[in-house]
Amino acid sequence: DVKVTQSSRYLVKRTGEKVFLECVQDMDHENMFWYRQDPGLGLRLIYFSYDVKMKEKGDIPEGYSVSREKKERFSLILESASTNQTSMYLCASSLLTGTGYEQYFGPGTRLTVT
Amino acid sequence: QKEVEQNSGPLSVPEGAIASLNCTYSDRGSQSFFWYRQYSGKSPELIMSIYSNGDKEDGRFTAQLNKASQYVSLLIRDSQPSDSATYLCAVNRPSGGGADGLTFGKGTHLIIQP
Repeated sequence: DVKVTQSSRYLVKRTGEKVFLECVQDMDHENMFWYRQDPGLGLRLIYFSYDVKMKEKGDIPEGYSVSREKKERFSLILESASTNQTSMYLCASSLLTGTGYEQYFGPGTRLTVT
Repeated sequence: QKEVEQNSGPLSVPEGAIASLNCTYSDRGSQSFFWYRQYSGKSPELIMSIYSNGDKEDGRFTAQLNKASQYVSLLIRDSQPSDSATYLCAVNRPSGGGADGLTFGKGTHLIIQP
């Protein structure tokens, strides 16, 4: 089974703090992703990575950066947290199958910025 | 803007009946289509993927794809109360051959009435 883990289930941070969200997958997947999920807006792609040291912007990269130093680990960084970044953050990795790149999600981190 | 549209519901179905969930997408270049189930407070779980026109069955679930009409559907036979959840339709982002993430609909909230 694919295993994607995230460092925290719940996180509370103050405005202006630097925040690190960590994600690890154990299936040697090339591609990894960060989404955020908000009521009424659904899941939106923030950043993704094809390989180590590589990163690509998704639909809503503003206010975020990422780091991928090892294949299994993909980190999301909020340089200066703001209240509008309060959200559920979901990490995923993908596997190429006969029906395309199937994505598997971690349990999510619910971040509250006060 | 590439879009995936779903009726938000709630869709209420009696236990034992067939639940039918629908999704339309705007980008004709999309090639891979996915259904995720998400319980409240949990992360999305992949339940079906489909690539070719027609039906694909897996247990009580059947995914249907019609590329000419740009719609995807999910049928759940013999619905159980444990099927009550939000169902997310997702399609691959055409650029990058699907390796660069998915575009999600906002989900349909399904309620199975005992």
